[in-house]
Amino acid sequence: DTAVSQTPKYLVTQMGNDKSIKCEQNLGHDTMYWYKQDSKKFLKIMFSYNNKELIINETVPNRFSPKSPDKAHLNLHINSLELGDSAVYFCASSQGYDYGYTFGSGTRLTVV
Amino acid sequence: GQQVMQIPQYQHVQEGEDFTTYCNSSTTLSNIQWYKQRPGGHPVFLIQLVKSGEVKKQKRLTFQFGEAKKNSSLHITATQTTDVGTYFCNPGSRLTFGEGTQLTVNP
Repeated sequence: DTAVSQTPKYLVTQMGNDKSIKCEQNLGHDTMYWYKQDSKKFLKIMFSYNNKELIINETVPNRFSPKSPDKAHLNLHINSLELGDSAVYFCASSQGYDYGYTFGSGTRLTVV
Repeated sequence: GQQVMQIPQYQHVQEGEDFTTYCNSSTTLSNIQWYKQRPGGHPVFLIQLVKSGEVKKQKRLTFQFGEAKKNSSLHITATQTTDVGTYFCNPGSRLTFGEGTQLTVNP
């Protein structure tokens, strides 16, 4: 009964490829997020999605795009992958911005 | 979004010693959350503080929210090896986490 599930757990791909990471939450939360965690452990917000309102971190390249088919899913699509995209990507959800987040187990992306 | 400063970035302690991490903001916060991430794991929500001067305890962990609601601290009494990990603060509504404090505990 995983609350926030991400797939795949590991992803190794070549530069220039396009890939997607899927995220599903079964908590009934209204808000979902994508975070990128680099080697220094910094958690950087990429996107948040609340009631069809998308908030984008302006520093995120437009090669990254979130897709939300419904309230329980927020997938991350990445075009033209670059070496610098290698990181761990976490999906999370919460009842709203002022509530605790539940994180998925992460997707370790390696671009070679 | 506006950032919070979290210090220290790294802390090495001997098992049994106490540990404190601080989260500081230049503006008033509506609330603050604390998370723990074990090595190789994902962040796990520990607690949320909302009221000015609030103090909450979870076993050996003590969380405080400053009177001005601009800073917060997490204190661990008598650390154990199971406390190893990175501790993050997250100012509510800001989406941006603190940079985290990586705690290592020597047995």
